[in-house]
Amino acid sequence: SQKIEQNSEALNIQEGKTATLTCNYTNYSPAYLQWYRQDPGRGPVFLLLIRENEKEKRKERLKVTFDTTLKQSLFHITASQPADSATYLCALATGGFKTIFGAGTRLFVKA
Amino acid sequence: DVKVTQSSRYLVKRTGEKVFLECVQDMDHENMFWYRQDPGLGLRLIYFSYDVKMKEKGDIPEGYSVSREKKERFSLILESASTNQTSMYLCASTAGQGTFGNTIYFGEGSWLTVV
Repeated sequence: SQKIEQNSEALNIQEGKTATLTCNYTNYSPAYLQWYRQDPGRGPVFLLLIRENEKEKRKERLKVTFDTTLKQSLFHITASQPADSATYLCALATGGFKTIFGAGTRLFVKA
Repeated sequence: DVKVTQSSRYLVKRTGEKVFLECVQDMDHENMFWYRQDPGLGLRLIYFSYDVKMKEKGDIPEGYSVSREKKERFSLILESASTNQTSMYLCASTAGQGTFGNTIYFGEGSWLTVV
């Protein structure tokens, strides 16, 4: 069956370190992969989109990689801050109107 | 600033009640969506609409219906609420052709508890 997996366990890191979140998928051939941030009790907010022919994308302290051979995306936050604490969702767009979301990984950044 | 507004943030309804969740977007987007989000399951698509009066079933449409009478408004209807519909409901919209390569704009969510 088609599946997206994100680390279900929360990630705890110290302020200033790099947070790395993983998104693995099976049985998809996504053309686009997106990352969203979701704060408790709020709707997801778009962060970054990466296309299948792009290996890496950056935006300020954020970096996303996309390896279609490994079927994996890594999401990095460098110089992390307590304000980065949130749940991060991976989403795959394979075509049309359906985007498949992962369950998300909760990130805690300690001061 | 773009906005998707869900009219009710928190609702408590009784089993068997008919429930309406309203959503309005101010971006003139063609496409609107309703998802539900449950712990450990990610977002699951209930219904979507690509034009006024058009609707398509998503992955979990059973027990739900939708209405899109105006471009900016998309309503989710629970015909007869049941306890397994207790969840957070998210409305979303996109421009262009579906969600393919497009940013999805979400509302703040509606927390529904069915007792």
